[in-house]
Amino acid sequence: EVQVVESGGGVVQPGRSLRLSCETSGFTFGDYAMSWFRQAPGKGLEWVGLIRSNAYNGATEYAASVKGRFSISREDSKSIAYLQMSSLKKEDTAVYFCSRAYVVFWLGEFGYYFDFWGQGARVTVSS
Amino acid sequence: DIQMTQSPSTLSASVGDRVTITCRASQSITTWLAWYQLKPGAAPKLLIYKASSLEDGVPSRFSGRGSGTEFTLTISSLQPDDYATYYCQHNRFPGLTFGPGTKVTIK
Repeated sequence: EVQVVESGGGVVQPGRSLRLSCETSGFTFGDYAMSWFRQAPGKGLEWVGLIRSNAYNGATEYAASVKGRFSISREDSKSIAYLQMSSLKKEDTAVYFCSRAYVVFWLGEFGYYFDFWGQGARVTVSS
Repeated sequence: DIQMTQSPSTLSASVGDRVTITCRASQSITTWLAWYQLKPGAAPKLLIYKASSLEDGVPSRFSGRGSGTEFTLTISSLQPDDYATYYCQHNRFPGLTFGPGTKVTIK
């Protein structure tokens, strides 16, 4: 059974840093890309970033809203993905979700579907 | 980035009703579209990918159609477990953009 569990959330002051962890089990972690999303209070889902598998050099992509402040890494030996958040702003307050990414290559294009998600970790940025 | 819109934003329906949600893309995305279900406090759930393919384990009352810029998610007979918010998502970079969501409530 595939399991995805986020941890590391909490209350943090503006300008500070926080690292979230995404622990997984039930699949060969190193074969998959992993992604982070968030849902701010009263808002919809927003993609935050993605890290590809080491077969694609662990390359990363980020949303414009977090680029330069957030970074994603992975530790395949432990089946864990991380979201390092720096220079946090009040608008980063959200529930953060981690998901496995299923990559599809079709007609010369790559697409990404997110098939197993965790229940989220709450991050509150407040002074 | 490609922009995604959904209609309606909220929908009130009874158990057994047929429900259809529409998602539109600002430009053609062929069939690179997925639908997700989100309930408070729960993990988001993938329902449909590639616009019309049903994810394993998802009840057959859910179906997706469309290509290009217009897509639909249909629940053929609404069940109590289906009251939730539904999001469409464009599944390619840049942006991996979500629609704003459609909340399905009890009538």
